[in-house]
Amino acid sequence: GAVVSQHPSRVICKSGTSVKIECRSLDFQATTMFWYRQFPKQSLMLMATSNEGSKATYEQGVEKDKFLINHASLTLSTLTVTSAHPEDSSFYICSARDPGQGSYEQYFGPGTRLTVT
Amino acid sequence: SQQGEEDPQALSIQEGENATMNCSYKTSINNLQWYRQNSGRGLVHLILIRSNEREKHSGRLRVTLDTSKKSSSLLITASRAADTASYFCATMEGGGADGLTFGKGTHLIIQP
Repeated sequence: GAVVSQHPSRVICKSGTSVKIECRSLDFQATTMFWYRQFPKQSLMLMATSNEGSKATYEQGVEKDKFLINHASLTLSTLTVTSAHPEDSSFYICSARDPGQGSYEQYFGPGTRLTVT
Repeated sequence: SQQGEEDPQALSIQEGENATMNCSYKTSINNLQWYRQNSGRGLVHLILIRSNEREKHSGRLRVTLDTSKKSSSLLITASRAADTASYFCATMEGGGADGLTFGKGTHLIIQP
């Protein structure tokens, strides 16, 4: 099946710094990728939809200036958490759909656990 | 955004028994999907059921969908210790360009 990778898997940063998380589709081209956030023992919340070659679409309540998304190629989307604060500590997961499969299944990356100290 | 609800929130059963989880949602959907998440890990897609389908099987999994009640159920038969995980339903309102709206999840524990 289609594989999506994320890097890094874990990151610890100091309050006020920025952190970049990469999401790659390894064996297919993804025109659309999605970013989700999951707090401990909670469900996943869609943050934004990342479109190759255009601006991301953010969900209501998600600050676009804080969570910068860049979909630079058909296989790479990045999420940059700017001026991170402890409340940004969370599990960030990306997903992508393989349009070549003609299905609605989304393939999820393994997630990135961000801890802001 | 709409948020699905799963029940129960936690379920503990003996190995070999069947596990049933339910999910409700609020809006019209294109499809509903079930995912499994092991502790602190990514999600694994289990099964997708389209809005015009009522039941679907995949191995030990059986999913039903009742669009009139806006609800779905996931049945895992002959459970195994390896089935211990959190299970989420997720709905897609439109086409493939849409993100998923996840339910709160059911944490399933299979006791050996």
